[in-house]
Amino acid sequence: AQKVTQAQTEISVVEKEDVTLDCVYETRDTTYYLFWYKQPPSGELVFLIRRNSFDEQNEISGRYSWNFQKSTSSFNFTITASQVVDSAVYFCALSEGGTSGSRLTFGEGTQLTVNP
Amino acid sequence: DTGVSQDPRHKITKRGQNVTFRCDPISEHNRLYWYRQTLGQGPEFLTYFQNEAQLEKSRLLSDRFSAERPKGSFSTLEIQRTEQGDSAMYLCASSSFVETQYFGPGTRLLVL
Repeated sequence: AQKVTQAQTEISVVEKEDVTLDCVYETRDTTYYLFWYKQPPSGELVFLIRRNSFDEQNEISGRYSWNFQKSTSSFNFTITASQVVDSAVYFCALSEGGTSGSRLTFGEGTQLTVNP
Repeated sequence: DTGVSQDPRHKITKRGQNVTFRCDPISEHNRLYWYRQTLGQGPEFLTYFQNEAQLEKSRLLSDRFSAERPKGSFSTLEIQRTEQGDSAMYLCASSSFVETQYFGPGTRLLVL
């Protein structure tokens, strides 16, 4: 069975600090997709990134970067120079079966608080 | 089309009542998903449709829950004889067949 673990329940940083959110996954499939979503206090899940299991290239998008390592089954998310608007719950998710359009298994989320 | 919409956004009901939620997906998306999220947890998969066909149901979806997508467009999720344990956020998402799921704002249910 697939599983996603986000060991950090809560993280608190001061604005402009860098912060890394950890995600470890378990799957028996060789083909799968990994995702990060952001859930601000309003409640809507906002898509951030999708990665397939064959693409281990790290990705950078502005202040956001993602490190995918199949050897350790990890897909970590770093925010550089954090801002108060980054405060939210962040979820890592996994879908199996060779398509990113199948059911998602989510971790329990990491509550990030960025203080001014 | 600005995204997935859900109605109502909030629902308060008494135990034993029936409730129905609606989800309108992004118009070109043929897959529609329902998830449930309780406080402090990640969303949990309930069911999904491809067009009008319900292709998968989680064991979380007891026989008090039923979902439909009659014309392959909007979907409804009905909970019969609600229980306090049904209190949660119900999230809808849509996608094209092999693409990313985009979520709506959710319906927050409180059963008293």
